Amino acid sequence: GQNIDQPTEMTATEGAIVQINCTYQTSGFNGLFWYQQHAGEAPTFLSYNVLDGLEEKGRFSSFLSRSKGYSYLLLKELQMKDSASYLCAVTDSNYQLIWGAGTKLIIKP
Amino acid sequence: DGGITQSPKYLFRKEGQNVTLSCEQNLNHDAMYWYRQDPGQGLRLIYYSQIVNDFQKGDIAEGYSVSREKKESFPLTVTSAQKNPTAFYLCASSIHGTSGYNEQFFGPGTRLTVL
Repeated sequence: GQNIDQPTEMTATEGAIVQINCTYQTSGFNGLFWYQQHAGEAPTFLSYNVLDGLEEKGRFSSFLSRSKGYSYLLLKELQMKDSASYLCAVTDSNYQLIWGAGTKLIIKP
Repeated sequence: DGGITQSPKYLFRKEGQNVTLSCEQNLNHDAMYWYRQDPGQGLRLIYYSQIVNDFQKGDIAEGYSVSREKKESFPLTVTSAQKNPTAFYLCASSIHGTSGYNEQFFGPGTRLTVL
């Protein structure tokens, strides 16, 4: 079966750095997405990786290792507004997005 | 402004009633999707459509129905056959449904409560 694993919840301090991991086992791979979802709202796109390596976008970076079936989202200089759930999703061989359950990130002052 | 609209944001229905959730997009996207999200869980695909007049069942289609008569519109009907319909429903669209880079854009969601 297809499976995406993320930690359920993480806590970090304002101004710090946090890394959210995602491991996946899917039928084929055509890219990996990270989305941010604030409580009660729709997910919004953060990043996309299809090749191995690190993609940096401001305070957020995303890393992919296809051989290990592994990705992480790195958030730097954490702000209170970063408190949200972070969803990892993989495009499989049928071009369907397979979603992880999400990681709830709690930022403390 | 281009985007996806869903209405209403909150919806209450009595058990046994069918209810239709609307989803409209003006992004000229070919593909549209319906997801269900329960507390503390990820997104589960109900139905998707890659082209007008065609749609496919997702992982949890039982108790739901859809139509795609226009490119812009993809309404979802929650029927009385759906055992536990109370949930947050999200509609999304992407430029194409058959591409590795199929970034999905989401509407604001409809929170359905069945009493």
